[in-house]
Amino acid sequence: AQSVTQPDIHITVSEGASLELRCNYSYGATPYLFWYVQSPGQGLQLLLKYFSGDTLVQGIKGFEAEFKRSQSSFNLRKPSVHWSDAAEYFCAVGLSGGGADGLTFGKGTHLIIQP
Amino acid sequence: KAGVTQTPRYLIKTRGQQVTLSCSPISGHRSVSWYQQTPGQGLQFLFEYFSETQRNKGNFPGRFSGRQFSNSRSEMNVSTLELGDSALYLCASSLLGGDTQYFGPGTRLTVL
Repeated sequence: AQSVTQPDIHITVSEGASLELRCNYSYGATPYLFWYVQSPGQGLQLLLKYFSGDTLVQGIKGFEAEFKRSQSSFNLRKPSVHWSDAAEYFCAVGLSGGGADGLTFGKGTHLIIQP
Repeated sequence: KAGVTQTPRYLIKTRGQQVTLSCSPISGHRSVSWYQQTPGQGLQFLFEYFSETQRNKGNFPGRFSGRQFSNSRSEMNVSTLELGDSALYLCASSLLGGDTQYFGPGTRLTVL
């Protein structure tokens, strides 16, 4: 069965600094990969996704992620964080886009922004 | 286009009762998936419906069930509620099920 590991439970970053959130997956084939963000009391908002092709994908809000097959990783990056980026971030994998097979999520990384 | 909507947003029930949660997908989306989110277990897949048929189910007891209507709206039902069922229940829709899922705001269920 597939699994997703987000090694960092909490990350604190100063406003304006760069950010990298780690995600490692275990899967027998090339999975579909996603990053979602969740603000307190809210649902999940899709930041970006990787299905195939260019391994560097751009998302909303200035986020990007790079798929590295050799490292089974899909790390999320942002060059300069804003206070509004404080939230919970989830990495997810799916056999396809999820759907019938469901998505498998990591435990999440809580991002704290220092002024 | 309107997003995924879920009703109610908050619900308080007592042990032993049953509850029904509703989800309206994005217009044109035919696949609806349900997830349970708890602090201890994180986000877990419950089941997925497409064209009124359940195609897949996660590792949850039979007390958790669902259905989908011809207009793609979906409901999930939890019978004989337990304290451990307290969670945020999230619904997600996608066009056909093999593509990107878009999530609703969730229903916060508290079981007392």
